[in-house]
Amino acid sequence: NAGVTQTPKFRILKIGQSMTLQCTQDMNHNYMYWYRQDPGMGLKLIYYSVGAGITDKGEVPNGYNVSRSTTEDFPLRLELAAPSQTSVYFCAIGTANNQPQHFGDGTRLSIL
Amino acid sequence: AQSVTQPDIHITVSEGASLELRCNYSYGATPYLFWYVQSPGQGLQLLLKYFSGDTLVQGIKGFEAEFKRSQSSFNLRKPSVHWSDAAEYFCAVGDTNAGKSTFGDGTTLTVKP
Repeated sequence: NAGVTQTPKFRILKIGQSMTLQCTQDMNHNYMYWYRQDPGMGLKLIYYSVGAGITDKGEVPNGYNVSRSTTEDFPLRLELAAPSQTSVYFCAIGTANNQPQHFGDGTRLSIL
Repeated sequence: AQSVTQPDIHITVSEGASLELRCNYSYGATPYLFWYVQSPGQGLQLLLKYFSGDTLVQGIKGFEAEFKRSQSSFNLRKPSVHWSDAAEYFCAVGDTNAGKSTFGDGTTLTVKP
């Protein structure tokens, strides 16, 4: 999707490992979001940011951390990966009325 | 707390037939409402949104949705479905204060030839 780039697209982790999911936008929007999507479910908000230096927890923040040092980047870090974190992770940016409007293509993460 | 219910997990329609996907929400005030479509292995694409004003909203790909406050609904419609419309559809309600959205669990649309 134009404007939001997520890397990597796929990753397999072992239990206890850590990793950072990258999200970069080129649309200069202040609001950015991280969601997870489990099979057969809708998206659950993990963290969001209203601008550089400002982040806040969403619905399911446990086991994750974020930072927002620039407008463009909003990385999501998993510490001590657990099987329950196996999911597809989507980054999104907010445009009109600061709601999530544009999504990246997702990172498919498996923890074994 | 806000919530979204999509009563139909899976819907099958014939190509060329009309389509209506249901969405009911719970929110304390006038909400922001959204419909997204997700093709397999892809991210979500915004179909249409309602913020205020005209309750009948036109979106991309020939979709429309109607906000009915009395029924707390925001159903998605399309008069004639194409095979390429087969996908997962998500309704979402936005928090007007905090810029966050709550998503429904989705409706899978299958289109028969």
